[in-house]
Amino acid sequence: GNSVTQMEGPVTLSEEAFLTINCTYTATGYPSLFWYVQYPGEGLQLLLKATKADDKGSNKGFEATYRKETTSFHLEKGSVQVSDSAVYFCALAPLSGGSYIPTFGRGTSLIVHP
Amino acid sequence: DTGVSQDPRHKITKRGQNVTFRCDPISEHNRLYWYRQTLGQGPEFLTYFQNEAQLEKSRLLSDRFSAERPKGSFSTLEIQRTEQGDSAMYLCASSAGQGSNTGELFFGEGSRLTVL
Repeated sequence: GNSVTQMEGPVTLSEEAFLTINCTYTATGYPSLFWYVQYPGEGLQLLLKATKADDKGSNKGFEATYRKETTSFHLEKGSVQVSDSAVYFCALAPLSGGSYIPTFGRGTSLIVHP
Repeated sequence: DTGVSQDPRHKITKRGQNVTFRCDPISEHNRLYWYRQTLGQGPEFLTYFQNEAQLEKSRLLSDRFSAERPKGSFSTLEIQRTEQGDSAMYLCASSAGQGSNTGELFFGEGSRLTVL
């Protein structure tokens, strides 16, 4: 079956530090890949996505590249802000094969200190 | 359209009682999903609908759980004879149908259930 593995948190950084959150996946076929973010007290919202190999998704200074050869979709940001403190979820969504069920990782909490 | 809405946002109940949650998806979306999220975990799939048809159910969904989407619009998730282990956040999400779908989900803010 499909699965997503992401690094455990919490990840604690100082403001303006570089961020990497690792995500690897197992899937049949070629799914779309996503990062969702959940700010305190809010619902999950899409941060960025990539729909095919070598695509780079980007939004709000965050980036992730769909690497088919390493089955990875690592999230990066060059300079984090306090307002980036949230829980980040890596996810995949199959687009074929008859089962359209997105699968999520367990989430990585990011804490950014001033 | 203001997005996916869920009701109630919070529900506290006693063990053994029945509870029902409602989800109103984005109007033009024909897929609707229910997930459960517990503290420190990612969303776990429960069930999903395409229009009014319930296409898949997780093995997590015991026979005390039932979901409906009678007219292909809003959906309800009912839990009968609640147990303390049912305490969780119940998330609803919707997505566009095949052909225009990249797999992106649009989530509501969730319904938090506490079973005493």
